[in-house]
Amino acid sequence: SYELTQPPSVSVSPGQTATITCSGDKLGEKDACWYQQKPGQSPVLVIYEDNKRPSGIPERISGSNSGNTATLTISGTQAMDEADYYCQAWDSSVVFGGGTKLTVL
Amino acid sequence: QVQLVESGGGVVQPGRSLRLSCAASGFTFSSYAMHWVRQAPGKGLEWVAVISYDGSDKFYSGSVKGRFTISRDKSKNTLYLQMNSLRADDTAVYYCVRGSWELHSSSTYWGQGTLVTVSS
Repeated sequence: SYELTQPPSVSVSPGQTATITCSGDKLGEKDACWYQQKPGQSPVLVIYEDNKRPSGIPERISGSNSGNTATLTISGTQAMDEADYYCQAWDSSVVFGGGTKLTVL
Repeated sequence: QVQLVESGGGVVQPGRSLRLSCAASGFTFSSYAMHWVRQAPGKGLEWVAVISYDGSDKFYSGSVKGRFTISRDKSKNTLYLQMNSLRADDTAVYYCVRGSWELHSSSTYWGQGTLVTVSS
């Protein structure tokens, strides 16, 4: 079965750029999405179709997808960005990455 | 505004059944595929099942196939998940999710979830 691999944790200082990766075989040939989940809340879509932002998502959140890796980038990271982030794609079924805990130090 | 309200969760013994419901409002329910996604306590997201906008197609993860059934009632704007032969590893928060079949569009929206605990 298809697998998406994310680092368990990423740390960033306030105002700096956070980068979260998601790796999967030929992931660049699929549409990748990203979800943000804060403690006690349900996930929220922040990126779809590799690099598109739903309405209401700030421009400092961006995405890319090429080769075997999709990347979520958060510029000017703020305390409010501290959350778990999950990548997701479709390969015969919906597949989620294991999630990355973003800590803003 | 879009609302997805799950209900039906609770504590159930192994081997028993439970039916979850998801009441949809604020959008045209019959225009969207609907998914169930679960999250075990302290764990990541796991996709469970999807049903097409008109209910004609259904697809399940290997871990629930043959035990769970997804369905929808257009007249009630409600999504269901019938869960049979429950096991301890089915313990999770179950989310109702609106979206495309492949869950990759801007229309993706998650409910608040309902907790299912399978324990004797």
